[in-house]
Amino acid sequence: SAVISQKPSRDICQRGTSLTIQCQVDSQVTMMFWYRQQPGQSLTLIATANQGSEATYESGFVIDKFPISRPNLTFSTLTVSNMSPEDSSIYLCSGGTSKSYNEQFFGPGTRLTVL
Amino acid sequence: GDSVTQMEGPVTLSEEAFLTINCTYTATGYPSLFWYVQYPGEGLQLLLKATKADDKGSNKGFEATYRKETTSFHLEKGSVQVSDSAVYFCALSIGFQKLVFGTGTRLLVSP
Repeated sequence: SAVISQKPSRDICQRGTSLTIQCQVDSQVTMMFWYRQQPGQSLTLIATANQGSEATYESGFVIDKFPISRPNLTFSTLTVSNMSPEDSSIYLCSGGTSKSYNEQFFGPGTRLTVL
Repeated sequence: GDSVTQMEGPVTLSEEAFLTINCTYTATGYPSLFWYVQYPGEGLQLLLKATKADDKGSNKGFEATYRKETTSFHLEKGSVQVSDSAVYFCALSIGFQKLVFGTGTRLLVSP
């Protein structure tokens, strides 16, 4: 299995500002993903973080709003840009390896509140 | 597209009661199926999984069987505890791709 940590664990931000969330994995993972969990809702995939190249975004999510980096196999960042109250959510990072068939391990999440 | 449907909650049970949370799926390929659990204030934890038809996943007294004929993966536990109170998510993936989650079912267990 993989242990995934995220920073910060929570933050309260002002409208119009940006926040960068960091995700660190304790071992190399093949795939890394970023999800959003809006209050009382299920998880929605934002994008797949690709090492050394642009992330692959799901429908409804764009790079200008959610830029993602993945400089190596164990680290990724998600930025929530020009925030509005509608961005208040839990943002979760996950990772998986080819050895753990289809199994993804999740970080503890970052709880974001936008005022 | 691929999707997962879960029974709506909350599910409210007394301690030691039998639990069933229904989950059905729609997929174009041959998915792997998962149950994740989210305890209050925490992130998601994988509870159990099944990768092919008729597989049974089990963990911590919970079980789920991959039923291809009914496209279902219902979660069961014979005797729930207060500590099982959490939100349970059914999910699928095809190949090594993204997870598609159901809406989640909140379980509340009272002493």
